[in-house]
Amino acid sequence: GENVEQHPSTLSVQEGDSAVIKCTYSDSASNYFPWYKQELGKRPQLIIDIRSNVGEKKDQRIAVTLNKTAKHFSLHITETQPEDSAVYFCAASGDSGYALNFGKGTSLLVTP
Amino acid sequence: EAGVAQSPRYKIIEKRQSVAFWCNPISGHATLYWYQQILGQGPKLLIQFQNNGVVDDSQLPKDRFSAERLKGVDSTLKIQPAKLEDSAVYLCASTNLLEAVNEQFFGPGTRLTVL
Repeated sequence: GENVEQHPSTLSVQEGDSAVIKCTYSDSASNYFPWYKQELGKRPQLIIDIRSNVGEKKDQRIAVTLNKTAKHFSLHITETQPEDSAVYFCAASGDSGYALNFGKGTSLLVTP
Repeated sequence: EAGVAQSPRYKIIEKRQSVAFWCNPISGHATLYWYQQILGQGPKLLIQFQNNGVVDDSQLPKDRFSAERLKGVDSTLKIQPAKLEDSAVYLCASTNLLEAVNEQFFGPGTRLTVL
């Protein structure tokens, strides 16, 4: 089955700096790669996703890049703010609608 | 639109007891998932339904876990008997495969503590 590795497990940045979280996946058939943000005690919420026919996608301060050849994808957050502090999960699946295989999460702390 | 509803939000039981969780997906979402999220880890799929049929239950510990979605809407997940390692948050999610963007919407989860 699909195996998703996520690094780092914790990340601390100063407000205004950029944060990068990286994931690798094992199943070359995976085509859908969403990123979820989970605040303490809250439900995971989708922040951005990308499909295998796209190399990069951006939404305001967040962007995701995908390298299908190397089987890795990354989340980039620019101009970080304290409210960006949360656990971020990457995931992979055969396509949207398929069950998601999640990484173990990255705890991001943005300090003022 | 209303989100995915789950109940109860918290449950504390002793090992070997039984417990059941309920999920009401977003109206019109035919696809429903149950995930288990152990503290410090990402959610792991337990079972996926399409309407009232099971699509994937390969990671469901069938000796103690069961799930049903009899009318293709609400779903229940049961654990009988519970073990200490079942302590986790149980997340229900739903999606509509007919929509262009098949985002999985998660419920608030049920936090289970097995003592």
